[in-house]
Amino acid sequence: GESVGLHLPTLSVQEGDNSIINCAYSNSASDYFIWYKQESGKGPQFIIDIRSNMDKRQGQRVTVLLNKTVKHLSLQIAATQPGDSAVYFCAETHLLSGGGADGLTFGKGTHLIIQP
Amino acid sequence: GAVVSQHPSRVICKSGTSVKIECRSLDFQATTMFWYRQFPKQSLMLMATSNEGSKATYEQGVEKDKFLINHASLTLSTLTVTSAHPEDSSFYICSASDRGAANYGYTFGSGTRLTVV
Repeated sequence: GESVGLHLPTLSVQEGDNSIINCAYSNSASDYFIWYKQESGKGPQFIIDIRSNMDKRQGQRVTVLLNKTVKHLSLQIAATQPGDSAVYFCAETHLLSGGGADGLTFGKGTHLIIQP
Repeated sequence: GAVVSQHPSRVICKSGTSVKIECRSLDFQATTMFWYRQFPKQSLMLMATSNEGSKATYEQGVEKDKFLINHASLTLSTLTVTSAHPEDSSFYICSASDRGAANYGYTFGSGTRLTVV
């Protein structure tokens, strides 16, 4: 869905705690979802992805949950560290057959702040 | 992993001039590249999709005559902002698709901060 906003929501957590960042998407045709981390002045960095045929996927310290019924995506970061401070975006797209690719639609983003 | 190089990282230009931004896939062939724009404290917005050897597809509201995209090879796409105005000042980011990559290849460049004075 469209993602335009005047400011980013902020989530502040204590170092070592777990954090959960949520994202709602609007396109029922989307079948591939990605979470990105963006530090100031840099391009988005891939964190984890999930296809629509799954509802959970785990990586190192990160877990993505997908609820297609309510079009909701979440990113869980375990044992947060100072380096996790950044803006996190969810992105959605529809994978094309035959080798083509659609662009990504980004969510509004959440600014995660890790408190020492 | 897949690496996308984008430059320049920063550019300041005078109003009315044109600026070219390059996006290169360093270790894979990108049949599709994407260009995004990001205003401060906002999300990324897709501007156009560029397929090698064919005309770019622009998103609604993006002027194709102002934002010229060329994707002449499998490793290079360029975005030229023509007759730049202060409202074009933004962070421009490219992404290249490598369908052979584990994450379907949505790898991003480091972005270009354009300031039009």
